[in-house]
Amino acid sequence: AQSVAQPEDQVNVAEGNPLTVKCTYSVSGNPYLFWYVQYPNRGLQFLLKYITGDNLVKGSYGFEAEFNKSQTSFHLKKPSALVSDSALYFCAVSLSGSARQLTFGSGTQLTVLP
Amino acid sequence: DVKVTQSSRYLVKRTGEKVFLECVQDMDHENMFWYRQDPGLGLRLIYFSYDVKMKEKGDIPEGYSVSREKKERFSLILESASTNQTSMYLCASTHFLGPGQGKNEQFFGPGTRLTVL
Repeated sequence: AQSVAQPEDQVNVAEGNPLTVKCTYSVSGNPYLFWYVQYPNRGLQFLLKYITGDNLVKGSYGFEAEFNKSQTSFHLKKPSALVSDSALYFCAVSLSGSARQLTFGSGTQLTVLP
Repeated sequence: DVKVTQSSRYLVKRTGEKVFLECVQDMDHENMFWYRQDPGLGLRLIYFSYDVKMKEKGDIPEGYSVSREKKERFSLILESASTNQTSMYLCASTHFLGPGQGKNEQFFGPGTRLTVL
């Protein structure tokens, strides 16, 4: 079985500071890893994904994430946070050949303070 | 742009009512999904479909059924709504890749917030 853990329900950061949203995963095999963002009263939007290759993945809105196989982590990062980044962030994992595709974490609410 | 639409943004129903949630995608995607989202629990898969008239149970199918009569449309049915089905329901779709599927991101609708009184 595959699972995803987002250890922080809430992350607060000041505008202009770097931000990190943590994610760890558990799968038996090579994972595909995703980050999604949800703004209030909206569906989820895709941010970035790791499939293979370079461990540092760049995505939308200046976000990036680093795949660390030894630590089974896929933390989301941004060098300089914006107030508009405030949203709910979900990490998800899937396995090659899995028709069910995605297993989601519980979500982390990011608040960027002006 | 991929567009996934859901029939209602907000819905209020009474206990015991039959409830239909509709989802339509315009990108000719083979795979469609229904999730429910609850605070602290993330998204949980209810049902998914990989082809017309084909369906598979997800993690929490109890109390739900689905219908996929056309490729672009995937319906979630609550046969007899209960208060514990009050939740945000999200529909998603993605393209089928065969053995490599799992690589593609899913595209989500805006969600339906269902309240069962």
